[in-house]
Amino acid sequence: EPEVTQTPSHQVTQMGQEVILRCVPISNHLYFYWYRQILGQKVEFLVSFYNNEISEKSEIFDDQFSVERPDGSNFTLKIRSTKLEDSAMYFCASSRLNEQFFGPGTRLTVL
Amino acid sequence: SQELEQSPQSLIVQEGKNLTINCTSSKTLYGLYWYKQKYGEGLIFLMMLQKGGEEKSHEKITAKLDEKKQQSSLHITASQPSHAGIYLCGALGGGSQGNLIFGKGTKLSVKP
Repeated sequence: EPEVTQTPSHQVTQMGQEVILRCVPISNHLYFYWYRQILGQKVEFLVSFYNNEISEKSEIFDDQFSVERPDGSNFTLKIRSTKLEDSAMYFCASSRLNEQFFGPGTRLTVL
Repeated sequence: SQELEQSPQSLIVQEGKNLTINCTSSKTLYGLYWYKQKYGEGLIFLMMLQKGGEEKSHEKITAKLDEKKQQSSLHITASQPSHAGIYLCGALGGGSQGNLIFGKGTKLSVKP
């Protein structure tokens, strides 16, 4: 059964460093998303992406964040200058129509 | 903005018992999703409901969306240890591209 994959599973970085989180959505899906979950808190929407552009973004998704689909399979989230409060699980999701399927997440720790 | 409230926050049941988890929305639901999450892991899609009164089942899990489309329930019949985890309800956040907002989750433990 096709699934969303994410790499790396864990990422530790120093404050101020750039990180890139990678996702491979399900191959015939058209809509792509990033969410995050700070430890003990709700899953929060960051950004949605369709037809090679951002379709919606939340207040969390400020200028430090960017997304890209560099080729036909990968979908990336970049954080330019990480802050302590960026520490969280980051989930990628994809959908063809309504059902959204999530990846296993990348745990980002900012020191 | 829309808020989803889940109850109970946590639940401990004996294996074999039935249980129900509720999700109540502050606004009309146009799509209600149920996911299961194990601690520190990804969200596993269970089912999605759209129409008032709709009910779906998968194995021993049944989810319903009420007629007014402001509340959904998830019912597990004859619970097993494999059902343990955090159950999250998510709703379409009103955006055109399907961004979801989530409740805080219900933590289910099943005692063998």
